[in-house]
Amino acid sequence: GALVYQYPRRTICKSGTSMRMECQAVGFQATSVAWYRQSPQKTFELIALSTVNSAIKYEQNFTQEKFPISHPNLSFSSMTVLNAYLEDRGLYLCGARQGNTEVFFGKGTRLTVV
Amino acid sequence: GDSVTQKQGQVTLSEDDFLFINCTYSTTTYPTLLWYVQYLGQGPQLLLKVTTANNKGISRGFEATYDKGTTSFHLQKASVQESDSAVYFCALVENTGNYKYVFGAGTRLKVIA
Repeated sequence: GALVYQYPRRTICKSGTSMRMECQAVGFQATSVAWYRQSPQKTFELIALSTVNSAIKYEQNFTQEKFPISHPNLSFSSMTVLNAYLEDRGLYLCGARQGNTEVFFGKGTRLTVV
Repeated sequence: GDSVTQKQGQVTLSEDDFLFINCTYSTTTYPTLLWYVQYLGQGPQLLLKVTTANNKGISRGFEATYDKGTTSFHLQKASVQESDSAVYFCALVENTGNYKYVFGAGTRLKVIA
């Protein structure tokens, strides 16, 4: 079956430092990968969408300078939270799909900033 | 832009009660409507989806009807169990290929045995 793994599951970083999280698709080719953030008491916000052979598209309020994303092949994507501060804490979700099929979500990386 | 509204932040029921979670949406497109369930410590899992207006999606005893007239996609279940306790998110995605999912705020369901 199709699965999406994210790691680490939880991480703590000091304020002002950076943290990289990874997303691995298993059982299908992730032609598109979307990164979402679920902040405390909030719903999922789309950060950016990465599609193979297309430029990564960032949503309003999210920038490449703050959340650089790599999508080097059809099974892997990573995102870094640069210069993390308290407002960056939350659950970061990776959602991947092949073509126009269903999106499969990982279990998320929970970021705590201290 | 597209939006999804879930008015109920939390619903508390007893086992075997009827569940109704409100969801309305706004869009200028012809979206697919979905319900996701997120259990504690997990990512969201697809519960059911409906691609075409006026159709009903059914999964694991849950059902939702894509009502284009009232722009609603309410989630129902005839008899809830304690294991249904989770957060339920209503979502829409445009059928245009850009696959931007728009999620509602979520409704936390607590079922008491």
